[in-house]
Amino acid sequence: KAGVTQTPRYLIKTRGQQVTLSCSPISGHRSVSWYQQTPGQGLQFLFEYFSETQRNKGNFPGRFSGRQFSNSRSEMNVSTLELGDSALYLCASSTQGASAADTQYFGPGTRLTVL
Amino acid sequence: AQSVTQLDSHVSVSEGTPVLLRCNYSSSYSPSLFWYVQHPNKGLQLLLKYTSAATLVKGINGFEAEFKKSETSFHLTKPSAHMSDAAEYFCVVSEGIGNQFYFGTGTSLTVIP
Repeated sequence: KAGVTQTPRYLIKTRGQQVTLSCSPISGHRSVSWYQQTPGQGLQFLFEYFSETQRNKGNFPGRFSGRQFSNSRSEMNVSTLELGDSALYLCASSTQGASAADTQYFGPGTRLTVL
Repeated sequence: AQSVTQLDSHVSVSEGTPVLLRCNYSSSYSPSLFWYVQHPNKGLQLLLKYTSAATLVKGINGFEAEFKKSETSFHLTKPSAHMSDAAEYFCVVSEGIGNQFYFGTGTSLTVIP
């Protein structure tokens, strides 16, 4: 099976712009989670989607949003970019995400740089 | 509330010597615990997970971890380090529906030839 794929791998934007990142989960996986990784804050949970519904959300401002499509592919959007949004954004998928024991499989990430 | 503490931000070992990466957790319920590894400019790869079955968990590449409830610990070990083990290691706790992961701050492992 193909792994989790994320596009694009690298992005450079300027402050105030918006950006959309895409994630395709492993075939058959219905839960998609997003994480932000920065040197200062480490890995932080953004949100999780299952069956096109946001089921769980981390402590991020409303500028961060996401959605999931019927084929389980997911996008996240960041509006009005700030310098502090520069980070590696990781997507992870799992089968149902219904149990704490479900393994999450991570993609390679999208490196966002905000100038 | 769930949290994970990785006790060492950086560990250096010589090739062929044992590896010990320490992790303590707090959780209100019976948690699931994971170790992931991240090589430079790569995503996270699962090493192993604990889900309330055997307390000694064996993972890939010779790694294993022991869940000790009394000590709230889940330390990662490997008998003999290899150069390819040099990477960042993350301890993760998960609980509840929605399977939200809480990450430790990571331990950077250096292997000296």
